[in-house]
Amino acid sequence: DGGITQSPKYLFRKEGQNVTLSCEQNLNHDAMYWYRQDPGQGLRLIYYSQIVNDFQKGDIAEGYSVSREKKESFPLTVTSAQKNPTAFYLCASRKTGGLTGGSGRRTGELFFGEGSRLTVL
Amino acid sequence: AQSVTQLGSHVSVSEGALVLLRCNYSSSVPPYLFWYVQYPNQGLQLLLKYTSAATLVKGINGFEAEFKKSETSFHLTKPSAHMSDAAEYFCAVSDQAGSGYSTLTFGKGTMLLVSP
Repeated sequence: DGGITQSPKYLFRKEGQNVTLSCEQNLNHDAMYWYRQDPGQGLRLIYYSQIVNDFQKGDIAEGYSVSREKKESFPLTVTSAQKNPTAFYLCASRKTGGLTGGSGRRTGELFFGEGSRLTVL
Repeated sequence: AQSVTQLGSHVSVSEGALVLLRCNYSSSVPPYLFWYVQYPNQGLQLLLKYTSAATLVKGINGFEAEFKKSETSFHLTKPSAHMSDAAEYFCAVSDQAGSGYSTLTFGKGTMLLVSP
């Protein structure tokens, strides 16, 4: 079955260490996204990528980095510059063909992975 | 820029009672609206979406939502709550990215508690 796989499910990090969260999709989606979830704050966009070798900062990109070398993969690195990295991280992808609105916007929904919970010790 | 406001961080209902979760949006362009559900330590699953077709949208698990432009609302309802409906629910609105692609902006979520 097609879907999005995030790993690891749980990750512990010491302060000052970089960690990389994996996100792989076999849905043949062009666009991929990383969101951060904190209790009571909903989901906040970190980075997103529309095509291979291109990505844009979201609302809270500071302290994070990404790469998009393959269509299927969009890893997120949480760097030591991120002051409060303990959170639940969600990867998502999106089909960019098919239904469009009158303005030509893509209207498809996001498909989410199961998430990765990062805890800083 | 667009935004979403979900009224009530927690909603409690009895099993069999009506479920009403409120969502109001702000968007400078005709919006596309979504409701997602999240169970503990899991990803988000789409319940339903509004994409400028019928204003009353039916989704999975007996949920539906009505788009009301005059009220800028997209409230989620279910006639009769089940214990299995206990979860966190997120309303989201799409934006208008210049390239033609869009991102979703999420509300802060409403936790639905169902008591026997």
